[in-house]
This record gives sequence, structure tokens and C-alpha cells, in this order.
Amino acid sequence: SYELTQPPSVSVSPGQTARITCSGDALPKQYVFWYQQRPGQAPKLVIYKNTQRPSGIPERLSGSNSGTTVTLTISGVQAEDEADYYCQSADSTGVVFGGGTKLTVL
Amino acid sequence: QVHLVQSEADVKKPGASVKVSCKASGYTFTDYYIHWVRQAPGQGLEWMGWIIPNSGDTKYPQKFQGRVALTSDTSLSTAYMELTSLKSDDTAIYYCVREDFDFWGQGTLITVSS
Repeated sequence: SYELTQPPSVSVSPGQTARITCSGDALPKQYVFWYQQRPGQAPKLVIYKNTQRPSGIPERLSGSNSGTTVTLTISGVQAEDEADYYCQSADSTGVVFGGGTKLTVL
Repeated sequence: QVHLVQSEADVKKPGASVKVSCKASGYTFTDYYIHWVRQAPGQGLEWMGWIIPNSGDTKYPQKFQGRVALTSDTSLSTAYMELTSLKSDDTAIYYCVREDFDFWGQGTLITVSS
């Protein structure tokens, strides 16, 4: 299966915009899902099918895609957004996750 | 309200097997695949396979083929993940997840230690 590449860490100050990227050769052909994982908790789906937000997810979290890179954007970052974020996609061989990005709110 | 409730944490010796259960409620169990995902301490997420409860069909990544078995009991709305020939690096939290990754179990910590 192919790989998804994420930056290990992103740091922003409260109120700023955080952008977390996920790159993979197959992404133009496959949907991407994003998960937020706070310490000690199970992952939580925050974006599905590249840009869709599940019920209850704030509008300041958004997804976008451009070719082989997709981006999770968190506008007006708050302290509660500090977490690990994972992208995920799939191909004919199965499901693959990115390595995860730790978002630090300074 | 959808819930996936997993079995309790367990400690196993190297070479042993472990079977984790995942009981679904709040939806029709046979309408959705169940995935299994694991996370080693301080590490990322790793997909272990999926099962279609209705048919029992499964799909595994090459890494786990021959060592993991996913099964389900539709009468109990429960999915199971069995991992054999355990090694220390199988120490991880194991999650069951509904097909669209929208609902996750609470996780089951499996520790492999002599």
C-alpha cells in the first residue's frame, strides 16, 4: 500500500490558523479522512471525504485538497485544539494512516 | 446512540494469543463493516483489517496476514480480533471502529511481557 506523509509537529498561537498537510501519490483518486486524538482518548473523526464535517464538529475545522496534498485547516485555534491529528485514506490493498501531526498551541 | 464496547485490558506472554471483543449497539450490526486499528505506546495508528459481519468476509494488510483473525457473531452483535504469536512490539491499544470510522470503541490495552 502507499504512504501518507504528515509533518511531525505544527505550532501556533491561540487565535491563529493552523494548517496540517497530508501528502500521498494516490490522494487525487481517493477520499481523505482526518482524526483528532487528545491524550488518553480514542481518535475522533473531524473531516470525512476530504471536506465534510461530521455533526458537532466546529466550522473552524475545514478540509481541502489540491492534487497529491490535502490540508486540515483550523481557524482561530483554541487551547482545546491541542492534540494529535491523523489523515487516513485507502486503496485496493486497504486502509492507510499518516504518521500523525502533533498540534501545539503556544 | 451508537456504542462499541470492547473487552478489558489484558497481559499476555510472548508466543501466546489474545482475543479482543467489540460489542455493538445502537445500530444494525450487519449493516456496517468493522475495522480494527491498533496504536503502540507513543506511536501512530495502524490498520489491522476489516470484517463484513453479514458474510464473514475479511481483508487484512500483508503485515498481519496469517497472524490475525477477525470474526463476528451476528446473534451477539459482537466482533472479535484474535492475534497469535504475540511479541513485545504487539503491546498496543487495540480499537474496533465502525465502517465509516465515525464511531470508535474505547480501546483495549494489550500488554505483551514475560
